[in-house]
Amino acid sequence: DAKTTQPPSMDCAEGRAANLPCNHSTISGNEYVYWYRQIHSQGPQYIIHGLKNNETNEMASLIITEDRKSSTLILPHATLRDTAVYYCIVRVRANAGKSTFGDGTTLTVKP
Amino acid sequence: NAGVTQTPKFQVLKTGQSMTLQCAQDMNHNSMYWYRQDPGMGLRLIYYSASEGTTDKGEVPNGYNVSRLNKREFSLRLESAAPSQTSVYFCASSANYEQYFGPGTRLTVT
Repeated sequence: DAKTTQPPSMDCAEGRAANLPCNHSTISGNEYVYWYRQIHSQGPQYIIHGLKNNETNEMASLIITEDRKSSTLILPHATLRDTAVYYCIVRVRANAGKSTFGDGTTLTVKP
Repeated sequence: NAGVTQTPKFQVLKTGQSMTLQCAQDMNHNSMYWYRQDPGMGLRLIYYSASEGTTDKGEVPNGYNVSRLNKREFSLRLESAAPSQTSVYFCASSANYEQYFGPGTRLTVT
């Protein structure tokens, strides 16, 4: 699985969009980009995934650059409950669980 | 539909003791996983099971054994606990893209 690089921490004002970047310059053509988050000490929660097209669901949007070497998770209207550690993971679909989560980005949403 | 359940929630062991962490899922998923998370760090894969009857090592398997008892249950055993195994242990299951995680077991080895 390709290695990912994320900033260790970010702040965001409540109600504003939170944009979380992830670099994955060694991504292979068959590898997907997945995002999970972990609130406090709970088990991680799936957010979204994509291959090369931008994706949107009820939680977030995922923007993947054309060369697929980086991506951005967007929380359109961050709330205090979005404060969490966000993990960007790159893996092939068949190996959905077989990779380390890395240290992620700690997002703090402030009032 | 409980999702992924783990028992116990908390456990304190003395060095050298053994114990088994239990995990069960009711989503009929083929794949199940055990991770550990040390303070301030991400999750590291210990073992996984792609289907009933199969298990494979992950990144940090030393000191652990696993059993995929049936499609629902995947247990993790520490034969001789060491302080370095103090961690939070998460079990997960998956079908296609998404992994579902349990609430974790907080283990302290003194």
